[in-house]
Amino acid sequence: DAGVTQSPTHLIKTRGQQVTLRCSPKSGHDTVSWYQQALGQGPQFIFQYYEEEERQRGNFPDRFSGHQFPNYSSELNVNALLLGDSALYLCASSFRTSGRGDTQYFGPGTRLTVL
Amino acid sequence: GQQVMQIPQYQHVQEGEDFTTYCNSSTTLSNIQWYKQRPGGHPVFLIQLVKSGEVKKQKRLTFQFGEAKKNSSLHITATQTTDVGTYFCAGPPTGANNLFFGTGTRLTVIP
Repeated sequence: DAGVTQSPTHLIKTRGQQVTLRCSPKSGHDTVSWYQQALGQGPQFIFQYYEEEERQRGNFPDRFSGHQFPNYSSELNVNALLLGDSALYLCASSFRTSGRGDTQYFGPGTRLTVL
Repeated sequence: GQQVMQIPQYQHVQEGEDFTTYCNSSTTLSNIQWYKQRPGGHPVFLIQLVKSGEVKKQKRLTFQFGEAKKNSSLHITATQTTDVGTYFCAGPPTGANNLFFGTGTRLTVIP
């Protein structure tokens, strides 16, 4: 049973560029959340997708957008990259039960470096 | 806005000593979850507590959820080098399904 997978594992971009990160959820999961984790800090919630729609959003600008596909996989897009976007981007999947803090299973993350 | 603080921020212990991290939320939580992140790794789910005053044990780890559902603790008995990592508590904001993570406690175990 495959867990949460993410690609790529590492990425280097320059300021102003755009990036797309990909995530496949754990088998049986229908909800995907994205988190940004800066060095030495806890994960910060970006947004969550369920039934191919953005259901919740954290305090991130519109440069951060996403998508969920019918097979539940998801993409995170970041436009006009800034140096401060350098971080570990984590995808977490869950199966929607209570819809109130369902247990999240995290992927290995994508390490994004913006130069 | 919601805040979830953990203390201490860092903890160094000798192998075999006990370790405790405390988690305090500014708002009542419907549940509290604990995650462990090894250096260079990703958060791994440890446990979820739902009921007020709930206590759960996993081998050497003991988790508690406060009566007011605003605080929690993780206690490790007789630490081992495999316990090294950062421990995060996390809870859902009111009416939401995402998790709000605490500031984390980084544990170092000295052999």
